[in-house]
Amino acid sequence: AQTVTQSQPEMSVQEAETVTLSCTYDTSENNYYLFWYKQPPSRQMILVIRQEAYKQQNATENRFSVNFQKAAKSFSLKISDSQLGDTAMYFCAFMRTGTSGSRLTFGEGTQLTVNP
Amino acid sequence: NAGVTQTPKFQVLKTGQSMTLQCAQDMNHEYMSWYRQDPGMGLRLIHYSVGAGITDQGEVPNGYNVSRSTTEDFPLRLLSAAPSQTSVYFCASSNRRRETQYFGPGTRLLVL
Repeated sequence: AQTVTQSQPEMSVQEAETVTLSCTYDTSENNYYLFWYKQPPSRQMILVIRQEAYKQQNATENRFSVNFQKAAKSFSLKISDSQLGDTAMYFCAFMRTGTSGSRLTFGEGTQLTVNP
Repeated sequence: NAGVTQTPKFQVLKTGQSMTLQCAQDMNHEYMSWYRQDPGMGLRLIHYSVGAGITDQGEVPNGYNVSRSTTEDFPLRLLSAAPSQTSVYFCASSNRRRETQYFGPGTRLLVL
């Protein structure tokens, strides 16, 4: 079974600064996807970024980028130029490739607060 | 596209009552799933479906039933609600080729 660990329950950052959220996972699979989801106070789950394990290049979406270290089973999220709207709970999630496509395993989440 | 919709947004039940949480998607996605989110925890998979007529259990299936008679709809049934089922429930769908799940807005359920 896969496990996902987010070791930082809470983090804070000043507006316009950069912050990195950590995530590690455990799996025996070689092919899989990794995701970061954002959950603001509205509770809506919003996809931030995804990474295919077979790709060596780290995924980037505007101010969001990941540092994917496959051998270390590490998948951190970097948020640049933090904005007040980035305040949310962030979840790291794992999914095996080629499965039903419906089995995400989530970490416990990191509450990020962006301070003005 | 409305995406993934869930009804109701909030529901209060008494112990032993039954109810159905509705989920629908208009993206013609093959895969649909139900998760629950408890305080301080990530989402956990309850049941999922890979297509109409096909369902399977996830990590925490006890106390819940599902069926998938159409591609669009995937209702979750609580047969006899218990206080331990107080949670926020999320429905999600995905197209296998895209391998990304899109979530509904959630249903908050309180069982007294």
